[in-house]
Amino acid sequence: GENVGLHLPTLSVQEGDNSIINCAYSNSASDYFIWYKQESGKGPQFIIDIRSNMDKRQGQRVTVLLNKTVKHLSLQIAATQPGDSAVYFCAENFGYSTLTFGKGTMLLVSP
Amino acid sequence: NAGVTQTPKFQVLKTGQSMTLQCAQDMNHEYMSWYRQDPGMGLRLIHYSVGAGITDQGEVPNGYNVSRSTTEDFPLRLLSAAPSQTSVYFCASSARQGDYGYTFGSGTRLTVV
Repeated sequence: GENVGLHLPTLSVQEGDNSIINCAYSNSASDYFIWYKQESGKGPQFIIDIRSNMDKRQGQRVTVLLNKTVKHLSLQIAATQPGDSAVYFCAENFGYSTLTFGKGTMLLVSP
Repeated sequence: NAGVTQTPKFQVLKTGQSMTLQCAQDMNHEYMSWYRQDPGMGLRLIHYSVGAGITDQGEVPNGYNVSRSTTEDFPLRLLSAAPSQTSVYFCASSARQGDYGYTFGSGTRLTVV
């Protein structure tokens, strides 16, 4: 929704730059992680996932890095475009439980 | 292929009124869920269903009821609306429990005055 971005950390970048969005997750036993993108007025959209037996996974222009030692997840977006402007959420899962979502980071891309 | 459809998109209720938020999916997904999203907070799970006839509570179920009489539909009922239920509500589905590549609807923005 439009008010999702209030009170969120914000990352501002120029078009063409690489963006890195960080997430600290809460449960050291979590074994599956997802990044979602939420554009204004829309529902979250799946971007990329990673399992805990991996430390890196690449998609189209996106890379997710997982550091289990410090419970940290990052999303790297290469050659950021104005269409990448959105709120980005990480989510974690343990076992067969439901997803736990982070609070999100707003990415603003200037032309 | 419509995916996940939520209606209405916007709703204003008075305190104490009841209403039903509709969610329908046409992907034959077994798993469906309802989240609420408040400013500065992550999505919080209200209720979920792993198949027709089966529902369970999430993190914030109080004040909400659900039922799952068909695979396609998963309505969320507000029994007696309160200002604290002002939020954006999202319905999500996936092929089965344990499949976390959720497909989300576009949301319902609810204001309780």
